[in-house]
Amino acid sequence: KNEVEQSPQNLTAQEGEFITINCSYSVGISALHWLQQHPGGGIVSLFMLSSGKKKHGRLIATINIQEKHSSLHITASHPRDSAVYICAVRWENQFYFGTGTSLTVIP
Amino acid sequence: KAGVTQTPRYLIKTRGQQVTLSCSPISGHRSVSWYQQTPGQGLQFLFEYFSETQRNKGNFPGRFSGRQFSNSRSEMNVSTLELGDSALYLCASSLGGTPGDLFGANVLTFGAGSRLTVL
Repeated sequence: KNEVEQSPQNLTAQEGEFITINCSYSVGISALHWLQQHPGGGIVSLFMLSSGKKKHGRLIATINIQEKHSSLHITASHPRDSAVYICAVRWENQFYFGTGTSLTVIP
Repeated sequence: KAGVTQTPRYLIKTRGQQVTLSCSPISGHRSVSWYQQTPGQGLQFLFEYFSETQRNKGNFPGRFSGRQFSNSRSEMNVSTLELGDSALYLCASSLGGTPGDLFGANVLTFGAGSRLTVL
């Protein structure tokens, strides 16, 4: 049983498309993070959320605490957005990670 | 401003050996956390150190240990290596100002990782 579920597992989009990646969790949370991992392993923390919505450039992250669900949106996708996106949740001093969504944006 | 530095980047060991990995955090960051990433299990939390004290620990056997020095640099050690320990080991640093609140209040900055292969 996974405490954090992501969908889809794999996603291919044409450049310019609007992309949504979903994260559902079964535990309570202190905060939820969206991470981006490029080929080669480097991880970048994109957002940290405990409520509402955050926006950074073409990226938007939302969270619904009651529904235990978060979404990461990418507007006007670009090939450089190709990466694995990972949802991470902290609860009671344990840290749970989704299995990641592999995004490929085709020019 | 220098990022999080992990050494070595790549290493190969044989079963039964031990390994020590190093993580130098961003200057001023006092929290260092460690993660294991494998194709089968994905990312898993190992432990977190703040001001030289382990304050959170994941579900890993005692063969996995770590420590943090007064300059906030951290090391993790894996003893009696098993084939299943082959993985990318990542560390991350943060300000860590809120005790016990690793992900809650502070953005993490990750290192590039140390890729361990156990033969």
